[in-house]
This record gives sequence, structure tokens and C-alpha cells, in this order.
Amino acid sequence: GEDVEQSLFLSVREGDSSVINCTYTDSSSTYLYWYKQEPGAGLQLLTYIFSNMDMKQDQRLTVLLNKKDKHLSLRIADTQTGDSAIYFCAAGDSSYKLIFGSGTRLLVRP
Amino acid sequence: DAGVIQSPRHEVTEMGQEVTLRCKPISGHNSLFWYRQTMMRGLELLIYFNNNVPIDDSGMPEDRFSAKMPNASFSTLKIQPSEPRDSAVYFCASSSNTGELFFGEGSRLTVL
Repeated sequence: GEDVEQSLFLSVREGDSSVINCTYTDSSSTYLYWYKQEPGAGLQLLTYIFSNMDMKQDQRLTVLLNKKDKHLSLRIADTQTGDSAIYFCAAGDSSYKLIFGSGTRLLVRP
Repeated sequence: DAGVIQSPRHEVTEMGQEVTLRCKPISGHNSLFWYRQTMMRGLELLIYFNNNVPIDDSGMPEDRFSAKMPNASFSTLKIQPSEPRDSAVYFCASSSNTGELFFGEGSRLTVL
């Protein structure tokens, strides 16, 4: 079955760019999502990309997909303290059967 | 819309007791999901309903867990009897045909 891996922790300075990486194992995964979880809250969809795309940009967020290496990244430009949260990568071959990574905790230092 | 509403937000109970978690999905959403989040195992899908019918319950850990969706606006997840290893945050999420999952704020369960 699908397995999704993420690094556990990332620390950046306010104003710098953050890059959070994710790898998945199932090449048939067509749905690839990034979710954000703030303390004490549920997950909130940040952005998504489908497997027929290489890149998607949405304001400060850029998602890059390397299908050959099954590697997904989320870049946050001009990172702010409000971006501190846990970021989850999720992959699946259907929109309901998503496998979530363990989450990357992003800490933004002033 | 108020979003996905879960109750209780926090539950502390003793081993062996029955626990019932409740969820009200977003109106108009036809899919409902129950997830469990722990430090050790991350976020796991327990069960998925579509149009109130359970479609995939392969993630339900064992017979002590059961979930129901009697109508489009309400679902329950029941654990009977509860055990300390069931301690986790349980999330309910709903979605429409767009595929985006909308999560509730979670129910934090502690079984002593």
C-alpha cells in the first residue's frame, strides 16, 4: 500500500523561504494534498496538485511534483510567524482513500 | 456554515467504560470520515461513509470500535469497552464531490 514520508521538523527565520519535502511510494497516486494543522485544531487544506501537473503556485505557496522520484515539496515564500504549524502531505489514488504523512512541524523564528 | 462540529472536545474516562464521539458534518456534504491521530501512528483513516452508507471500515482497529451514520447530518464513533491504548485525538471530516476534506476540531480522548 501507499506510504508517505516527511521530515519531522523544520526551523526557519521569519522572512525566509520554507521548503517542506514529502515522498510517496505508490506511483498510481493521483491526488496529492498539503494540509496545515494549528495547535488544538483540525487539519485545513492548504493546496493540492494532481499527478498530471508539475507545479502549482498559489500566492506564497508553490507545490512542486517530481513524478519520477515520487517527490512532492511545498515552498512557503516570505515565511511568517503565523505559518508555524504542522504540515501534512497526503497522497492517494482516490480522493477519499488518502494516506497522510506523519507531519512536519514548522517553527518560524522572529 | 459552522463547519464540521465534533463533541465532546475532551473526554477522560476509565478503562472499560463506553465512549461515544459525535460528529455533525457540513450540510450538503455526502462523505464523512473518522480519523484517529496519535504520536506513534500519525493520522489513520478508521472508516468512510458515502451517502450515510459505510464504504470502507478496514481501518477500524477491532470489534470494540463501531461507527454509525443514521442520517446525513449525524455520525457517532463508539468504543466499548475502552482501553488506555485508545487514547488519541479523533477527527471527523466531511467532503463533497470536490474531494477536499473539511476537518472538525477533534475529540481528545484519554482512557485511564
